[in-house]
Amino acid sequence: GEDVEQSLFLSVREGDSSVINCTYTDSSSTYLYWYKQEPGAGLQLLTYIFSNMDMKQDQRLTVLLNKKDKHLSLRIADTQTGDSAIYFCALTDLTTDSWGKLQFGAGTQVVVTP
Amino acid sequence: DAGVTQSPTHLIKTRGQHVTLRCSPISGHKSVSWYQQVLGQGPQFIFQYYEKEERGRGNFPDRFSARQFPNYSSELNVNALLLGDSALYLCASSLATGGYEQYFGPGTRLTVT
Repeated sequence: GEDVEQSLFLSVREGDSSVINCTYTDSSSTYLYWYKQEPGAGLQLLTYIFSNMDMKQDQRLTVLLNKKDKHLSLRIADTQTGDSAIYFCALTDLTTDSWGKLQFGAGTQVVVTP
Repeated sequence: DAGVTQSPTHLIKTRGQHVTLRCSPISGHKSVSWYQQVLGQGPQFIFQYYEKEERGRGNFPDRFSARQFPNYSSELNVNALLLGDSALYLCASSLATGGYEQYFGPGTRLTVT
């Protein structure tokens, strides 16, 4: 199985960039996702990257993937107070029987201060 | 289009009881997955269904079961509830299995006393 690790907490000033990091152990991860969860809510899909890509940019979000180091990051430019939430890294492995299974990290709590 | 819907929003049950949680996927989506999220942790995969067939099962006891109906909605059933079953139960829908984007509902908060 896969092990997905994230730092637990990140504090950032409004207007600065946030970088949330994720490391994983299984090199056969195929799709890698970032989800956002606000208090008392479900998970919102922010973006995802296929494992044959190094980078994906979507407005304020930039995803970087280093397959050699098994490291995924999410950069949020011009962080706003509305970005305060828990961010989850998640992976799927299309080489296993459970194609639809998302393996999540424990989440990174991002707090944006004015 | 409506997103993934789940019912009920909140539920309080007693140990030993049975619970049924319901999920309606996004229109056009044929796959539904269930996840359990214990407070302070990431979601854990329970089941995936596609075209009414089970396509994946996580490491959960047989007390957990699910099914998918012809309209692609789904039910998650948990028997003989334990205190440790208290969690947020999330349903996700996708077009199909295997690498497709999964969209989550708001979840059902289950409290077992």
